[in-house]
Amino acid sequence: GQQLNQSPQSMFIQEGEDVSMNCTSSSIFNTWLWYKQDPGEGPVLLIALYKAGELTSNGRLTAQFGITRKDSFLNISASIPSDVGIYFCAGAPRRGAQKLVFGQGTRLTINP
Amino acid sequence: NAGVTQTPKFQVLKTGQSMTLQCAQDMNHNSMYWYRQDPGMGLRLIYYSASEGTTDKGEVPNGYNVSRLNKREFSLRLESAAPSQTSVYFCASGGSTNEKLFFGSGTQLSVL
Repeated sequence: GQQLNQSPQSMFIQEGEDVSMNCTSSSIFNTWLWYKQDPGEGPVLLIALYKAGELTSNGRLTAQFGITRKDSFLNISASIPSDVGIYFCAGAPRRGAQKLVFGQGTRLTINP
Repeated sequence: NAGVTQTPKFQVLKTGQSMTLQCAQDMNHNSMYWYRQDPGMGLRLIYYSASEGTTDKGEVPNGYNVSRLNKREFSLRLESAAPSQTSVYFCASGGSTNEKLFFGSGTQLSVL
């Protein structure tokens, strides 16, 4: 089946640093989403992207829908301790699709 | 407003035992989903229900059955548990556009 590859798989950073992660696919997706999972909890939606080239922000988070429609990027500026967790990208063939494909996640650890 | 509620939070089974994971949502969502999360593999869709009265297989349905009891409730059953089913299970419901998922806090299942 379709797979999404997230990079890096894990990151260890200092508080205050900026973070960049990406997600690539061999197939085209017309919807990209980014979720965050706090330890011991279920994932929570951060950002949804619906148009190639789209750049969307949510506070210190900025995500981009790649122009090839085969990738997406997430940036976190000025990281804080509560940013710790696992970040998942997800793709859907179209808006409203039932079946999302998830990446394997990027685990973010922050040293205070 | 509880969102998506899963029970139990933890369960240990012996190989061959059966059990049902319960999920309920109070957001009046039409679509509901069961995912499993394994280290390094992200979230994989087991079954989903696009609306009350319908269920469909996801990526990894073997060994599982589901029941959409009503609009609120969607249960996952393991008829004869196997060690390969040791995982964290998440129930989710779909918002106004199906790809915006709301997740429960998960069930950690160990099969010995």
